[in-house]
Amino acid sequence: GNSVTQMEGPVTLSEEAFLTINCTYTATGYPSLFWYVQYPGEGLQLLLKATKADDKGSNKGFEATYRKETTSFHLEKGSVQVSDSAVYFCHLNAGGTSYGKLTFGQGTILTVHP
Amino acid sequence: EAGVVQSPRYKIIEKKQPVAFWCNPISGHNTLYWYRQNLGQGPELLIRYENEEAVDDSQLPKDRFSAERLKGVDSTLKIQPAELGDSAVYLCASSLSSLDEQYFGPGTRLTVT
Repeated sequence: GNSVTQMEGPVTLSEEAFLTINCTYTATGYPSLFWYVQYPGEGLQLLLKATKADDKGSNKGFEATYRKETTSFHLEKGSVQVSDSAVYFCHLNAGGTSYGKLTFGQGTILTVHP
Repeated sequence: EAGVVQSPRYKIIEKKQPVAFWCNPISGHNTLYWYRQNLGQGPELLIRYENEEAVDDSQLPKDRFSAERLKGVDSTLKIQPAELGDSAVYLCASSLSSLDEQYFGPGTRLTVT
């Protein structure tokens, strides 16, 4: 079945530090991959996505590359800000009837200190 | 553009009581999802609709949970009777199609005492 494994947190960084949040997946077929973010007191919202192998999704300084050879979609940012403090979720969408239960990662709590 | 609307935002009930959640998706979105999110976990899919048809309900505990999406727009998720383990945040999301990005509502926080 389809599933994602996301690195456990929480992650605590100082402002301007480099961020990596690991995400690996197991899937049949050719899924699309997403990162969603949940800021304090708000609902989940899309951060970025990639729909095929070698695609790079980017938004707000965050990037993630769809790596089929390593079945990974790691989230990176070169210089984090206090406003990036949030919970980040990796998500796999294979569509059809192969959606599966574990297609969201467990979430990684990021806290950025000034 | 209005986002996904959910109500109520909070609900506290005693075990064995029924409860219902309502969701109004973004206009024009054919796919609607109900998720359950436990504290410190990611969302877990309960049911997915394509228009008015439930196309993936394998994770829905059918002995106590039911859902409907009449006319392919609004949707209701019901639990009867509720158990202590049902305490969670229930999220509704919608998308243009099942392969597109999802737009989430604010969720309903259910506490069963």
